Amino acid sequence: DVKVTQSSRYLVKRTGEKVFLECVQDMDHENMFWYRQDPGLGLRLIYFSYDVKMKEKGDIPEGYSVSREKKERFSLILESASTNQTSMYLCASSPGTSGTNEQFFGPGTRLTVL
Amino acid sequence: AQTVTQSQPEMSVQEAETVTLSCTYDTSESDYYLFWYKQPPSRQMILVIRQEAYKQQNATENRFSVNFQKAAKSFSLKISDSQLGDAAMYFCAYREYGNKLVFGAGTILRVKS
Repeated sequence: DVKVTQSSRYLVKRTGEKVFLECVQDMDHENMFWYRQDPGLGLRLIYFSYDVKMKEKGDIPEGYSVSREKKERFSLILESASTNQTSMYLCASSPGTSGTNEQFFGPGTRLTVL
Repeated sequence: AQTVTQSQPEMSVQEAETVTLSCTYDTSESDYYLFWYKQPPSRQMILVIRQEAYKQQNATENRFSVNFQKAAKSFSLKISDSQLGDAAMYFCAYREYGNKLVFGAGTILRVKS
């Protein structure tokens, strides 16, 4: 089974802290994605990566950065957390670039910024 | 940019009955892919069904089927013989360039016993 894991299910941080969210997939997928999920807005893409050390901005990259040093690991970084970044964060991965390839999701990290 | 609209924030269905979740999308492309994802209360999102736009035949996966109307840009999900385990948030998604997905806002499905 494809497995995507995220470092924490729940996280509470203070405003201004630097926050790292880690995602690891075990299926050698080329593509990895970070989304945030908010009620009434669905999932919105923050950043994605097609390969090691490669990254592209999604629809809402402001306030975030990412790192992909190894193929299996994709990190989301909040340089200075703010209360409006309180949200559910979902990581996903998928193989190749074929349109029918589904994305496999992690369990999510519920981040609260106080 | 492509958009995906799910006009039903919440739906309810009686166990064993059939329910249809609506989804419309906006695109100028002729070849694309559409997906329905399910997110149970435990939060792990899983794929329910997928449709390739160039295929006229509607996709079916066991109790789940779609009604794909390309001209109307409509992609509804039908769940037959609803079960308690079907209760979840359902997201419609459109695949655009680069394997990125654009998601709708989601529909919460409640199943009554």
